Amino acid sequence: GQSLEQPSEVTAVEGAIVQINCTYQTSGFYGLSWYQQHDGGAPTFLSYNALDGLEETGRFSSFLSRSDSYGYLLLQELQMKDSASYFCAVRDGGSQGNLIFGKGTKLSVKP
Amino acid sequence: GAGVSQSPSNKVTEKGKDVELRCDPISGHTALYWYRQSLGQGLEFLIYFQGNSAPDKSGLPSDRFSAERTGGSVSTLTIQRTQQEDSAVYLCASSAPTGTSADTQYFGPGTRLTVL
Repeated sequence: GQSLEQPSEVTAVEGAIVQINCTYQTSGFYGLSWYQQHDGGAPTFLSYNALDGLEETGRFSSFLSRSDSYGYLLLQELQMKDSASYFCAVRDGGSQGNLIFGKGTKLSVKP
Repeated sequence: GAGVSQSPSNKVTEKGKDVELRCDPISGHTALYWYRQSLGQGLEFLIYFQGNSAPDKSGLPSDRFSAERTGGSVSTLTIQRTQQEDSAVYLCASSAPTGTSADTQYFGPGTRLTVL
Protein backbone atom coordinates (compact mmCIF):
# COMPACT_ATOMS: atom_id res chain seq x y z
CA GLY A 1 0.00 0.00 0.00
CA GLN A 2 0.91 3.64 -0.03
CA SER A 3 1.61 5.59 3.13
CA LEU A 4 3.36 8.70 4.39
CA GLU A 5 4.84 9.26 7.82
CA GLN A 6 5.43 12.66 9.39
CA PRO A 7 5.70 13.87 12.99
CA SER A 8 2.39 14.78 14.57
CA GLU A 9 3.55 17.95 16.30
CA VAL A 10 6.47 20.37 16.23
CA THR A 11 7.00 23.46 18.38
CA ALA A 12 9.45 26.27 17.62
CA VAL A 13 10.01 29.91 18.52
CA GLU A 14 9.56 32.97 16.37
CA GLY A 15 12.57 33.65 14.15
CA ALA A 16 13.85 30.08 14.36
CA ILE A 17 14.20 27.42 11.64
CA VAL A 18 12.16 24.24 11.70
CA GLN A 19 12.31 21.11 9.55
CA ILE A 20 9.32 18.82 9.04
CA ASN A 21 10.26 15.38 7.75
CA CYS A 22 8.22 13.04 5.59
CA THR A 23 8.95 9.45 4.58
CA TYR A 24 6.79 7.69 2.06
CA GLN A 25 6.00 4.31 0.56
CA THR A 26 4.39 4.40 -2.86
CA SER A 27 3.70 2.20 -5.86
CA GLY A 28 5.20 4.46 -8.48
CA PHE A 29 6.43 7.94 -7.62
CA TYR A 30 5.23 11.14 -9.22
CA GLY A 31 6.61 13.76 -6.85
CA LEU A 32 6.20 14.97 -3.28
CA SER A 33 3.98 17.94 -2.47
CA TRP A 34 3.52 20.02 0.66
CA TYR A 35 0.33 21.74 1.77
CA GLN A 36 -0.36 24.17 4.60
CA GLN A 37 -3.65 24.26 6.47
CA HIS A 38 -4.58 26.79 9.13
CA ASP A 39 -7.19 25.80 11.70
CA GLY A 40 -10.61 25.93 10.09
CA GLY A 41 -9.13 26.71 6.68
CA ALA A 42 -8.58 24.87 3.42
CA PRO A 43 -5.24 23.28 2.50
CA THR A 44 -3.12 25.50 0.30
CA PHE A 45 -0.28 24.37 -1.93
CA LEU A 46 3.27 25.22 -0.79
CA SER A 47 5.73 23.29 -2.93
CA TYR A 48 6.35 20.31 -5.17
CA ASN A 49 9.50 18.22 -5.74
CA ALA A 50 9.70 15.77 -8.62
CA LEU A 51 13.49 15.49 -8.65
CA ASP A 52 16.12 15.16 -5.93
CA GLY A 53 17.36 18.31 -4.29
CA LEU A 54 16.19 21.50 -2.74
CA GLU A 55 13.45 23.80 -4.01
CA GLU A 56 13.35 27.25 -2.45
CA THR A 57 10.38 29.61 -2.34
CA GLY A 58 11.00 32.55 -0.07
CA ARG A 59 11.18 31.47 3.57
CA PHE A 60 10.06 27.94 2.67
CA SER A 61 12.22 25.24 1.10
CA SER A 62 11.45 21.64 0.29
CA PHE A 63 13.91 18.80 -0.20
CA LEU A 64 13.55 15.39 -1.79
CA SER A 65 15.71 12.27 -1.85
CA ARG A 66 14.04 9.64 -4.01
CA SER A 67 16.60 6.97 -3.13
CA ASP A 68 15.69 7.38 0.55
CA SER A 69 11.93 7.89 -0.06
CA TYR A 70 12.31 10.96 2.10
CA GLY A 71 11.63 14.63 1.94
CA TYR A 72 11.37 17.60 4.25
CA LEU A 73 9.89 21.04 4.45
CA LEU A 74 12.16 23.74 5.89
CA LEU A 75 10.63 26.90 7.30
CA GLN A 76 13.00 29.76 8.07
CA GLU A 77 12.53 32.99 10.02
CA LEU A 78 9.42 31.56 11.61
CA GLN A 79 6.50 33.89 12.14
CA MET A 80 3.45 33.45 14.34
CA LYS A 81 1.31 33.14 11.21
CA ASP A 82 3.22 29.99 10.27
CA SER A 83 1.38 28.15 13.05
CA ALA A 84 -0.64 25.62 11.05
CA SER A 85 -0.72 21.99 10.01
CA TYR A 86 1.61 20.90 7.24
CA PHE A 87 0.85 17.89 5.07
CA CYS A 88 3.12 16.00 2.72
CA ALA A 89 1.41 14.24 -0.17
CA VAL A 90 2.20 11.97 -3.10
CA ARG A 91 0.13 11.22 -6.15
CA ASP A 92 -1.71 7.91 -6.05
CA GLY A 93 0.32 5.55 -8.22
CA GLY A 94 -2.76 3.63 -9.20
CA SER A 95 -5.00 6.41 -10.44
CA GLN A 96 -2.24 8.97 -11.06
CA GLY A 97 -4.72 11.60 -10.09
CA ASN A 98 -5.69 12.01 -6.50
CA LEU A 99 -3.17 12.74 -3.75
CA ILE A 100 -2.42 10.53 -0.78
CA PHE A 101 -1.82 12.75 2.25
CA GLY A 102 0.15 12.21 5.41
CA LYS A 103 -1.67 12.77 8.70
CA GLY A 104 -0.13 16.22 9.03
CA THR A 105 2.32 17.94 11.36
CA LYS A 106 0.88 20.60 13.64
CA LEU A 107 3.42 23.42 13.95
CA SER A 108 3.11 25.76 16.90
CA VAL A 109 5.22 28.91 16.78
CA LYS A 110 5.79 30.50 20.18
CA PRO A 111 6.83 34.14 20.78
CA GLY B 1 -10.24 34.75 -10.77
CA ALA B 2 -12.65 32.89 -8.49
CA GLY B 3 -11.37 29.94 -6.53
CA VAL B 4 -13.09 26.66 -5.73
CA SER B 5 -16.40 27.22 -3.99
CA GLN B 6 -18.46 24.79 -1.95
CA SER B 7 -21.94 24.89 -0.51
CA PRO B 8 -23.28 24.74 2.05
CA SER B 9 -20.48 25.76 4.38
CA ASN B 10 -22.16 23.95 7.26
CA LYS B 11 -24.76 21.20 7.26
CA VAL B 12 -26.40 19.66 10.28
CA THR B 13 -28.61 16.66 9.63
CA GLU B 14 -30.26 13.83 11.44
CA LYS B 15 -29.05 10.27 11.21
CA GLY B 16 -30.71 8.48 8.31
CA LYS B 17 -31.29 11.58 6.16
CA ASP B 18 -29.70 12.15 2.75
CA VAL B 19 -27.43 15.13 2.10
CA GLU B 20 -26.04 16.76 -1.03
CA LEU B 21 -22.82 18.75 -1.05
CA ARG B 22 -21.90 20.96 -3.98
CA CYS B 23 -18.56 21.98 -5.48
CA ASP B 24 -17.82 24.59 -8.16
CA PRO B 25 -14.25 24.10 -9.41
CA ILE B 26 -11.96 26.73 -10.91
CA SER B 27 -12.97 27.46 -14.48
CA GLY B 28 -10.88 25.45 -16.93
CA HIS B 29 -9.77 22.85 -14.41
CA THR B 30 -10.63 19.44 -15.78
CA ALA B 31 -9.74 17.45 -12.67
CA LEU B 32 -11.96 17.51 -9.59
CA TYR B 33 -11.42 15.68 -6.32
CA TRP B 34 -13.42 15.05 -3.17
CA TYR B 35 -11.69 14.44 0.15
CA ARG B 36 -12.93 13.99 3.69
CA GLN B 37 -11.17 15.26 6.81
CA SER B 38 -12.12 14.24 10.30
CA LEU B 39 -11.16 16.46 13.24
CA GLY B 40 -7.39 16.61 13.64
CA GLN B 41 -6.81 14.07 10.90
CA GLY B 42 -5.34 14.06 7.42
CA LEU B 43 -7.29 14.14 4.20
CA GLU B 44 -8.98 10.94 3.03
CA PHE B 45 -9.50 10.61 -0.73
CA LEU B 46 -13.06 9.85 -1.82
CA ILE B 47 -13.48 10.26 -5.58
CA TYR B 48 -11.68 11.80 -8.57
CA PHE B 49 -13.05 13.09 -11.89
CA GLN B 50 -10.80 13.78 -14.87
CA GLY B 51 -12.45 15.26 -17.93
CA ASN B 52 -14.88 12.88 -19.57
CA SER B 53 -13.21 9.75 -18.21
CA ALA B 54 -14.96 7.41 -15.82
CA PRO B 55 -14.43 8.66 -12.25
CA ASP B 56 -12.09 6.91 -9.86
CA LYS B 57 -14.43 5.89 -7.04
CA SER B 58 -11.90 3.77 -5.18
CA GLY B 59 -11.98 5.97 -2.07
CA LEU B 60 -15.71 5.95 -1.45
CA PRO B 61 -16.21 4.28 1.96
CA SER B 62 -19.58 2.65 1.21
CA ASP B 63 -22.32 2.49 -1.38
CA ARG B 64 -24.15 5.21 0.54
CA PHE B 65 -21.70 7.66 -1.04
CA SER B 66 -21.96 8.76 -4.65
CA ALA B 67 -20.89 11.72 -6.73
CA GLU B 68 -21.54 13.13 -10.12
CA ARG B 69 -20.07 15.87 -12.21
CA THR B 70 -22.37 17.57 -14.68
CA GLY B 71 -21.06 19.21 -17.84
CA GLY B 72 -17.49 18.70 -16.71
CA SER B 73 -17.83 21.44 -14.12
CA VAL B 74 -20.01 21.42 -11.01
CA SER B 75 -19.94 18.31 -8.85
CA THR B 76 -22.35 17.01 -6.25
CA LEU B 77 -21.42 14.54 -3.52
CA THR B 78 -24.44 12.69 -2.14
CA ILE B 79 -24.49 10.76 1.11
CA GLN B 80 -27.56 8.60 1.63
CA ARG B 81 -28.86 7.44 5.00
CA THR B 82 -26.23 9.44 6.86
CA GLN B 83 -24.52 7.93 9.90
CA GLN B 84 -22.78 9.70 12.77
CA GLU B 85 -19.40 8.49 11.52
CA ASP B 86 -20.01 10.52 8.34
CA SER B 87 -19.50 13.71 10.37
CA ALA B 88 -16.43 15.44 8.93
CA VAL B 89 -15.33 18.31 6.73
CA TYR B 90 -15.80 17.45 3.06
CA LEU B 91 -13.25 19.20 0.87
CA CYS B 92 -13.34 19.61 -2.87
CA ALA B 93 -10.29 20.45 -4.97
CA SER B 94 -9.58 21.04 -8.63
CA SER B 95 -6.43 21.05 -10.69
CA ALA B 96 -5.17 22.02 -14.14
CA PRO B 97 -5.19 19.38 -16.87
CA THR B 98 -1.58 18.60 -17.69
CA GLY B 99 2.00 18.30 -16.53
CA THR B 100 3.46 18.68 -13.08
CA SER B 101 1.02 21.46 -12.37
CA ALA B 102 -1.54 18.70 -12.04
CA ASP B 103 -0.05 18.11 -8.61
CA THR B 104 -1.13 21.57 -7.52
CA GLN B 105 -4.61 21.10 -6.18
CA TYR B 106 -6.71 24.11 -5.25
CA PHE B 107 -9.06 23.45 -2.38
CA GLY B 108 -12.42 24.90 -1.57
CA PRO B 109 -13.32 26.01 1.96
CA GLY B 110 -15.11 22.74 2.67
CA THR B 111 -18.51 21.73 3.97
CA ARG B 112 -18.65 20.84 7.65
CA LEU B 113 -21.17 18.00 7.99
CA THR B 114 -22.57 17.11 11.39
CA VAL B 115 -24.83 14.08 11.72
CA LEU B 116 -26.81 14.03 14.94
